[in-house]
Amino acid sequence: QQQVKQSPQSLIVQKGGISIINCAYENTAFDYFPWYQQFPGKGPALLIAIRPDVSEKKEGRFTISFNKSAKQFSLHIMDSQPGDSATYFCAALATSGTYKYIFGTGTRLKVLA
Amino acid sequence: ETGVTQTPRHLVMGMTNKKSLKCEQHLGHNAMYWYKQSAKKPLELMFVYNFKEQTENNSVPSRFSPECPNSSHLFLHLHTLQPEDSALYLCASSQDVSRPQHFGDGTRLSIL
Repeated sequence: QQQVKQSPQSLIVQKGGISIINCAYENTAFDYFPWYQQFPGKGPALLIAIRPDVSEKKEGRFTISFNKSAKQFSLHIMDSQPGDSATYFCAALATSGTYKYIFGTGTRLKVLA
Repeated sequence: ETGVTQTPRHLVMGMTNKKSLKCEQHLGHNAMYWYKQSAKKPLELMFVYNFKEQTENNSVPSRFSPECPNSSHLFLHLHTLQPEDSALYLCASSQDVSRPQHFGDGTRLSIL
């Protein structure tokens, strides 16, 4: 019940295309859902995050879609660029009670020039 | 100055050595964390410190010993490690345990 399932494991997208990464969770105590971007040799960097009171959040080319009833959320990268090539992690946090911070297994994105 | 700084960036040690990893955060945060990142595995939370008090030990073997002397510094003391302990060790901090975490760039540890 503490897991966050992330898919796909790897993704190849043409430049200008849309990259979509999906995550699913079970624990309804989770109420904060961040996405992290990690480049080789660097630590994960917070990219964008959403709370379950909204269904979508957009920051530039990055959008999180959230489906509370299905307990799923996804990251969409519009107009994907080679510089977006990185590993992306979703996470889920319960901001009260157990304060659990659970990460997905990561998606390695490669954007072809 | 980056928010969360980890040293050293790379460490190679034998199984009988003793070494320490250091993490320093300049963000004024009150919570600090150690994670282990291995290939093809989710990030594994090891330890959580909140206001200098250890609040979580995620069943980590005793050969890993954390120390948090103040809210800005976190250490991970290593002794008699095993080859399977080779990984990237990441430090993170957050305003408190209910806020998003900010990561350092990690220490790449190789056990010979």
